[in-house]
Amino acid sequence: EAGVAQSPRYKIIEKRQSVAFWCNPISGHATLYWYQQILGQGPKLLIQFQNNGVVDDSQLPKDRFSAERLKGVDSTLKIQPAKLEDSAVYLCASSPGTSPWETQYFGPGTRLLVL
Amino acid sequence: RKEVEQDPGPFNVPEGATVAFNCTYSNSASQSFFWYRQDCRKEPKLLMSVYSSGNEDGRFTAQLNRASQYISLLIRDSKLSDSATYLCVVLTGTALIFGKGTTLSVSS
Repeated sequence: EAGVAQSPRYKIIEKRQSVAFWCNPISGHATLYWYQQILGQGPKLLIQFQNNGVVDDSQLPKDRFSAERLKGVDSTLKIQPAKLEDSAVYLCASSPGTSPWETQYFGPGTRLLVL
Repeated sequence: RKEVEQDPGPFNVPEGATVAFNCTYSNSASQSFFWYRQDCRKEPKLLMSVYSSGNEDGRFTAQLNRASQYISLLIRDSKLSDSATYLCVVLTGTALIFGKGTTLSVSS
């Protein structure tokens, strides 16, 4: 079974530029998550989708971050404009159903460096 | 107080050693508890769930003390392949809250 796919794997941009990340979850998984992992810290949830609806976006800096999951399958996360402190690994995860205690399967992440 | 706090690392142990990691959480309403493993520059992967009665998976034993809001992970007979960062994870509401992780390095 194919895992969670993410692209690009690496991205370097200058501050104030915009960037977008793409995630394709495991086929049939209902719930999709975006996390931000800053070096030396654990992942922090940014947004959670169930199918194509938002369940939790309380930690998403909505002045610069946006995310969508059209058709309830793949998802994009955008940052506009980027700041230095956005340098991190952006992890996408998916889980089969809608229960929050289900195992989450993570993708390899996109490493973002903002200069 | 941070929501999930873990032992500071790194832990450097020889092969065959027994090592224990501790974790505390601040929200008494947290419902479920997990340990995830993250290899260097890789994604986190579920190691095991943690149940109130304690549970074991081979060389790994997890314990939960709800009264003290404390979680532990014991690794017996450490292998080189156990070298990784171990993340304590707590489900609060609908969100997983991750600790910063504790790094384990097993040497021969």
